[in-house]
Amino acid sequence: KNEVEQSPQNLTAQEGEFITINCSYSVGISALHWLQQHPGGGIVSLFMLSSGKKKHGRLIATINIQEKHSSLHITASHPRDSAVYICAVRSEDFGNEKLTFGTGTRLTIIP
Amino acid sequence: GAVVSQHPSRVICKSGTSVKIECRSLDFQATTMFWYRQFPKQSLMLMATSNEGSKATYEQGVEKDKFLINHASLTLSTLTVTSAHPEDSSFYICSAPVQGWVTEAFFGQGTRLTVV
Repeated sequence: KNEVEQSPQNLTAQEGEFITINCSYSVGISALHWLQQHPGGGIVSLFMLSSGKKKHGRLIATINIQEKHSSLHITASHPRDSAVYICAVRSEDFGNEKLTFGTGTRLTIIP
Repeated sequence: GAVVSQHPSRVICKSGTSVKIECRSLDFQATTMFWYRQFPKQSLMLMATSNEGSKATYEQGVEKDKFLINHASLTLSTLTVTSAHPEDSSFYICSAPVQGWVTEAFFGQGTRLTVV
């Protein structure tokens, strides 16, 4: 079993739909990242969370530390949101900067 | 925000040759950089941790003599794929943590290597 599990693996939705991508992890963490990878391969960090909820534009990320679960929501989805979304966690061990990655969720938004 | 620049973005090389990939932190000092490999439709796999001024730490199963890492300055880490083979064709990406109150992660643009 992977330390970081994402669901769904693939998601296709119509433009305008509300999107939810889930991430569950099994280890103690100091932070969780949501990353976006476009078809060209470049990776952009969307959020870094250690508790609660963050919002940036149409994107919302939440985390529940007790349940070891995080969600990424996209409101009013648009074709340009089509990308692979990756959840990554940072170990709670002090000084350990390594990230453990989920397998990603491939999101396709149809116009 | 912090910027990590990776070069080249694409490279095609012949079997048996070596390829060098550079990763630069443009507006911050990076004592640590991470090198990842990504196969099609798979997630990132950590290959090694590059440490400025000391030897890199390789993950299990990664050949250190094949994937040479040099981190000679606080702003530059390089990954050299030596004696490349077609199975080394992959997407390579670097990342640098930015340490502050919390530690952020910034990624290079990635390098798509094709060995023919």
